Amino acid sequence: AQSVTQPDIHITVSEGASLELRCNYSYGATPYLFWYVQSPGQGLQLLLKYFSGDTLVQGIKGFEAEFKRSQSSFNLRKPSVHWSDAAEYFCAVGAWAAGNKLTFGGGTRVLVKP
Amino acid sequence: DGGITQSPKYLFRKEGQNVTLSCEQNLNHDAMYWYRQDPGQGLRLIYYSQIVNDFQKGDIAEGYSVSREKKESFPLTVTSAQKNPTAFYLCASSRFGTSGSGNEQFFGPGTRLTVL
Repeated sequence: AQSVTQPDIHITVSEGASLELRCNYSYGATPYLFWYVQSPGQGLQLLLKYFSGDTLVQGIKGFEAEFKRSQSSFNLRKPSVHWSDAAEYFCAVGAWAAGNKLTFGGGTRVLVKP
Repeated sequence: DGGITQSPKYLFRKEGQNVTLSCEQNLNHDAMYWYRQDPGQGLRLIYYSQIVNDFQKGDIAEGYSVSREKKESFPLTVTSAQKNPTAFYLCASSRFGTSGSGNEQFFGPGTRLTVL
């Protein structure tokens, strides 16, 4: 069975500083990997996705993520955060063999200090 | 504009009552999903459907029921058998293509259900 771990429940970062959110997954084959963002009381918005090919993927809002197969990781990064990046971020793993279902991590809440 | 709509945004229910949450999509997606989200937790899959007139249980299906009579609609009923139904419910849809295509899920805005 697939699983996702986001080790950091909360992260506080100063505006303009860099941000890295960690994600580790467990799956026997090549997974599809996603990062979603959720503002309070809203649905989830897709930031970026990895299916195959280049292991460094670019997303919306200046985010990027790197797939490292050897470490079973898919960490999300942003060089300079904006106050509007304060939200909850979810990593998810999916696979065709699992009926295209997604398994989500527990989420990381990001707070941005002025 | 294409997208997923969920209604109502807020729903209140008395204990012992069934309630149905609506989910409609006009993205022409084959697959639809229902998730439950509790405060401080990730999303847990309740039910999913890959094709009309077919659906499968997810990880926490007890106390819930669904139907998929039309491609664009996937309503969720929270029954009185659900012991702790107060939560935020999210509907999603995706293409259901061949292996290797990787089909991301698109989410609706959610329905917050409160049991009084």
